[in-house]
Amino acid sequence: SQTIHQWPATLVQPVGSPLSLECTVEGTSNPNLYWYRQAAGRGLQLLFYSVGIGQISSEVPQNLSASRPQDRQFILSSKKLLLSDSGFYLCAWSVVGSGGYTFGSGTRLTVV
Amino acid sequence: AQSVTQPDIHITVSEGASLELRCNYSYGATPYLFWYVQSPGQGLQLLLKYFSGDTLVQGIKGFEAEFKRSQSSFNLRKPSVHWSDAAEYFCAVGDSSTGGFKTIFGAGTRLFVKA
Repeated sequence: SQTIHQWPATLVQPVGSPLSLECTVEGTSNPNLYWYRQAAGRGLQLLFYSVGIGQISSEVPQNLSASRPQDRQFILSSKKLLLSDSGFYLCAWSVVGSGGYTFGSGTRLTVV
Repeated sequence: AQSVTQPDIHITVSEGASLELRCNYSYGATPYLFWYVQSPGQGLQLLLKYFSGDTLVQGIKGFEAEFKRSQSSFNLRKPSVHWSDAAEYFCAVGDSSTGGFKTIFGAGTRLFVKA
């Protein structure tokens, strides 16, 4: 069966520190992968999506970057965190040509 | 541009009562529409989706939604709410034209269930 793993579950980082959040998918090949951010009391904002290895599309100019070094691995990074980077980060995947996402359990990031 | 509007920030219903959560969308073509549910501190779970065909869609956990093109709406319904349905619900519209199937989410409606 298909599963998605996202870690860590929670993270507290100081301003100016680097960030690396990892997401891996099992049980499927060539998925579309997505990173969303959910601010407190707000909806989901699409940050990045990827349709294949090394292919990254950025939706919002910001302090973050994404990479897809392997087919089922999607990484969200930052070189220097800002306070405004705090939020709940969700990774998701979908089958190519179809719709409906499967979400990971999320990472609660607090920048202090 | 695509957009999704959920007019109600929060709704409170009594356990056993019926539920309808509203969703309006803006999209140039036939949309792909979704409803997701999120429990506190968790990821989102897909409840149901509409691509084409029958405009009344059945989902998991006893939910259904009806696509009404004339009203640009995709409201979520449940005939009898259980306390475990308390959560946040997100309506979403998908765009396959980019090849990556991006999904735009509404701001969400938080459902409270009272005994």
